[in-house]
Amino acid sequence: ETGVTQSPTHLIKTRGQQVTLRCSSQSGHNTVSWYQQALGQGPQFIFQYYREEENGRGNFPPRFSGLQFPNYSSELNVNALELDDSALYLCASSLAAGTTSYGYTFGSGTRLTVV
Amino acid sequence: ILNVEQSPQSLHVQEGDSTNFTCSFPSSNFYALHWYRWETAKSPEALFVMTLNGDEKKKGRISATLNTKEGYSYLYIKGSQPEDSATYLCASLLRGSNYQLIWGAGTKLIIKP
Repeated sequence: ETGVTQSPTHLIKTRGQQVTLRCSSQSGHNTVSWYQQALGQGPQFIFQYYREEENGRGNFPPRFSGLQFPNYSSELNVNALELDDSALYLCASSLAAGTTSYGYTFGSGTRLTVV
Repeated sequence: ILNVEQSPQSLHVQEGDSTNFTCSFPSSNFYALHWYRWETAKSPEALFVMTLNGDEKKKGRISATLNTKEGYSYLYIKGSQPEDSATYLCASLLRGSNYQLIWGAGTKLIIKP
């Protein structure tokens, strides 16, 4: 059984740069959600993609954007990086756009450090 | 602002003892409540998704209850084992929320052998 795979696992970027994070969803899942987790806090919802369309977005500025591909893998792009963007970025996949009986399947995350 | 609160923030429990902790969430527009276990250096793992008031779910030694009218859920662990050491997170999904899970900050559970 394939789970959710995120790459890279760690990344250091300079303020003002752009970054792309990648996520391969679990086999059979068509929905991907992205979350940002700062130290000591719960994850914050960035956005969700269902069948290649963004169908939900949290309170994040437009410099956070994403894509979902026909194979349901996904990318999170962040432009003009700020120091506060330093966080763990989690990707989660599920079979349906809304809630499921089984919850979401998460990747291990990408640790982004902006210096 | 709609918050999900978890208490306590951390908990030390002797191996073999039972324990429980709390998740408080907005009761209006409730749709679902998720519980996850997150071990260090691993991915969050789904434990339960609960939708009905009064629901109780069980998975081995772990169980959870749900009160949607007053907006709280309890997670119980019976006979704690060292492998139960993890952070336990709850997340609320509200109707009309654009599929946005609102997360608590978690309860960090440490089992002492």
